[in-house]
Amino acid sequence: DSGVTQTPKHLITATGQRVTLRCSPRSGDLSVYWYQQSLDQGLQFLIQYYNGEERAKGNILERFSAQQFPDLHSELNLSSLELGDSALYFCASSARGTSGPTDTQYFGPGTRLTVL
Amino acid sequence: GQSLEQPSEVTAVEGAIVQINCTYQTSGFYGLSWYQQHDGGAPTFLSYNALDGLEETGRFSSFLSRSDSYGYLLLQELQMKDSASYFCAVRSSGTRAGTALIFGKGTTLSVSS
Repeated sequence: DSGVTQTPKHLITATGQRVTLRCSPRSGDLSVYWYQQSLDQGLQFLIQYYNGEERAKGNILERFSAQQFPDLHSELNLSSLELGDSALYFCASSARGTSGPTDTQYFGPGTRLTVL
Repeated sequence: GQSLEQPSEVTAVEGAIVQINCTYQTSGFYGLSWYQQHDGGAPTFLSYNALDGLEETGRFSSFLSRSDSYGYLLLQELQMKDSASYFCAVRSSGTRAGTALIFGKGTTLSVSS
């Protein structure tokens, strides 16, 4: 158990819909990262938040957005869903998230999204 | 841009030793990490090399050569439970890069008895 929790574990929805994925980082970790894993694209970085503020963006679509709340939990919002958005979405946390040596990232169990 | 290359599949038998290679291209380098992922599970951290040389953690070791932009993960005394995907990763670089990880596409290790 990494200490990172994600809900829900599974989500099945239809094209055009909107969903929200939730993540609680390990206690004390300030950075939260969202990754998407699909069969053909591997693990792709989407977005990072550090202590409530957006720190970096990766391959995140404009239909997707995220935020980190004062209690440091984070939500990833996916809208106008398409079939190709079906994937595993992982949240990870790390202690820091600023410059210096690479932090170990601790991954949650993931949310499996299926868009029908 | 940044990219990492690693073999897609490796097979071995129980008790054997296997090496998973990783070559990378990145403009800023902050070390090479390795993660293990069992089917459908969460990636878990295995090892990290910031400097050249070998890091040993039990049955697993990781090596880095910064001059060659190359590293490897060495798994010894293989067990069936080591069957999983293994990813090498580097930290993203750039002015607004944050500290996210850029992953290779993963190497699927199959251990047979």
